[in-house]
Amino acid sequence: GAVVSQHPSWVICKSGTSVKIECRSLDFQATTMFWYRQFPKQSLMLMATSNEGSKATYEQGVEKDKFLINHASLTLSTLTVTSAHPEDSSFYICSAQHVSGETQYFGPGTRLLVL
Amino acid sequence: RKEVEQDPGPFNVPEGATVAFNCTYSNSASQSFFWYRQDCRKEPKLLMSVYSSGNEDGRFTAQLNRASQYISLLIRDSKLSDSATYLCVVPNAGNNRKLIWGLGTSLAVNP
Repeated sequence: GAVVSQHPSWVICKSGTSVKIECRSLDFQATTMFWYRQFPKQSLMLMATSNEGSKATYEQGVEKDKFLINHASLTLSTLTVTSAHPEDSSFYICSAQHVSGETQYFGPGTRLLVL
Repeated sequence: RKEVEQDPGPFNVPEGATVAFNCTYSNSASQSFFWYRQDCRKEPKLLMSVYSSGNEDGRFTAQLNRASQYISLLIRDSKLSDSATYLCVVPNAGNNRKLIWGLGTSLAVNP
């Protein structure tokens, strides 16, 4: 199956710092990548849809200036959590979608802990 | 009605049992459906896709009832390794690239 990588797998940072998470599709090109967040015992919540070469589309309630998304190539999207606070601590997961289909392939996720 | 609704469980079953989960969806225009499996502290992984009346893959069977707007997942001969959360996923009818996720049903298979 398709492989999606995410880096880093976990990060601990101080409040106020920025954290950058990378999502890469390793063996296919993805014009669309998605960023999700999952809090403990809750469902995945879509944060934004990242389209290669254009601005990301953010879901209602997600601050675009706080969660910066860049999708510079067909295999890489980045999410930067700016000025992170403890409430931003969560499991961030990206997924990449083939041009032709609906199936999304997920990266292994990034656990963020903001102290 | 919620867009995608699942019984959260948990379902506790012995090894070898047959267990079934239901998922209801609100948008009658939805054409395709997915079951994902998520292990604790891991990313979701695609288990099955359902495009017509149903799909079968080994011990797993997914069935779709369009009239009642629900899909089911049946697991036969449960294994310990089946313990996980099973997520029902429905593409947004207005934007098929966006997925609507259920909260998941937790399954624990006991020895």
